[in-house]
Amino acid sequence: DAGVTQSPTHLIKTRGQQVTLRCSPISGHKSVSWYQQVLGQGPQFIFQYYEKEERGRGNFPDRFSARQFPNYSSELNVNALLLGDSALYLCASSFFRQTNYEQYFGPGTRLTVT
Amino acid sequence: GNSVTQMEGPVTLSEEAFLTINCTYTATGYPSLFWYVQYPGEGLQLLLKATKADDKGSNKGFEATYRKETTSFHLEKGSVQVSDSAVYFCALSDLGTQGGSEKLVFGKGTKLTVNP
Repeated sequence: DAGVTQSPTHLIKTRGQQVTLRCSPISGHKSVSWYQQVLGQGPQFIFQYYEKEERGRGNFPDRFSARQFPNYSSELNVNALLLGDSALYLCASSFFRQTNYEQYFGPGTRLTVT
Repeated sequence: GNSVTQMEGPVTLSEEAFLTINCTYTATGYPSLFWYVQYPGEGLQLLLKATKADDKGSNKGFEATYRKETTSFHLEKGSVQVSDSAVYFCALSDLGTQGGSEKLVFGKGTKLTVNP
């Protein structure tokens, strides 16, 4: 079975630009969460979506937004990029409030802002 | 809020040595606890989990026991291999207070290097 997939793998943007990251969950999973992992740190929660509705949001500015599609895939958008947005962006999928809250992660998208 | 504290790394061991990575948590209620592993250039893989007090999670020779009285979930392995070299993250489930979200709260990670 395919795991969580993310695209693109790597991305280089300049300050002020906008970026869209994509994620496809494991088949059968209806929830997608996004995390930001800055180098040398643990992942930080950005968003969770379930059945196309936002279920939670972390402490990130409004420049960050996301959505979930009817097929449960998701996009994360970041506007007006700052150097500090450089990070590994991880997508995780789950059943949502089942199976003891396990989340399964994709390989991530490495975003570099110059 | 809920938080996880891991022992600072890096940790360097010789092959076949005993491994302990300490993890303590602060949480309201009774969260599920997890260890994730991240190999160089990759995403996170779930290593093991425990969902209630005194549960022992185990996988690939790694073990961790959910200790409610000490709010700990230390990772152990009796004999490490070179292939265990990676960054290990302790995490807890946080159900949040808004709309029923469920998120993971991670520690900062502990880098393990195993030398032949």
